[in-house]
Amino acid sequence: GDSVTQTEGLVTLTEGLPVMLNCTYQTIYSNPFLFWYVQHLNESPRLLLKSFTDNKRTEHQGFHATLHKSSSSFHLQKSSAQLSDSALYYCALSNSAGNKLTFGIGTRVLVRP
Amino acid sequence: ETAVFQTPNYHVTQVGNEVSFNCKQTLGHDTMYWYKQDSKKLLKIMFSYNNKQLIVNETVPRRFSPQSSDKAHLNLRIKSVEPEDSAVYLCASSSGGVGNTLYFGEGSRLIVV
Repeated sequence: GDSVTQTEGLVTLTEGLPVMLNCTYQTIYSNPFLFWYVQHLNESPRLLLKSFTDNKRTEHQGFHATLHKSSSSFHLQKSSAQLSDSALYYCALSNSAGNKLTFGIGTRVLVRP
Repeated sequence: ETAVFQTPNYHVTQVGNEVSFNCKQTLGHDTMYWYKQDSKKLLKIMFSYNNKQLIVNETVPRRFSPQSSDKAHLNLRIKSVEPEDSAVYLCASSSGGVGNTLYFGEGSRLIVV
């Protein structure tokens, strides 16, 4: 079945430094749709960005990610982390019918001053 | 702005009791979901419905039963709760199809003592 592997555990970084969260996936579907969801403390997950186009950069709220089918990856990056970026980040993969999202284990990001 | 409403937000009960969670969405979406978020923040799909019809039923114990009266409502009943059912149950909706965004409710936290 479908699976998503993310950077595990806690990523701690200093405000202003770049951040990169790894995400790789496995699926037999040739046109995968990948997502990044973010969950702040005491909130529910919400969409950060998504893509199904190979090798095209997708951006939102300072974050960006590029789907690379050749390496089955969809890494999330930001050039300069802010304190408000402290949250739990999930990478997710849609099935071919679009009625099920498979989430990775989530990566917690803590940005310190 | 919240458009997926869940009740109750919090419930404490004893092992063996029955509990129900309600969910309503005002987005006009055709597809609704129940996800379970455990203490390690793992997000796993339990069920998804499209226009009142069950379309995804993951490997979930029989004591869990979803109910949908119309496409805007999806409830979850747990017949006889077990300690491992302690979690946050997240309801979500989408317009369906590959690539569509999931909109989550605020969650219903269940604690089984």
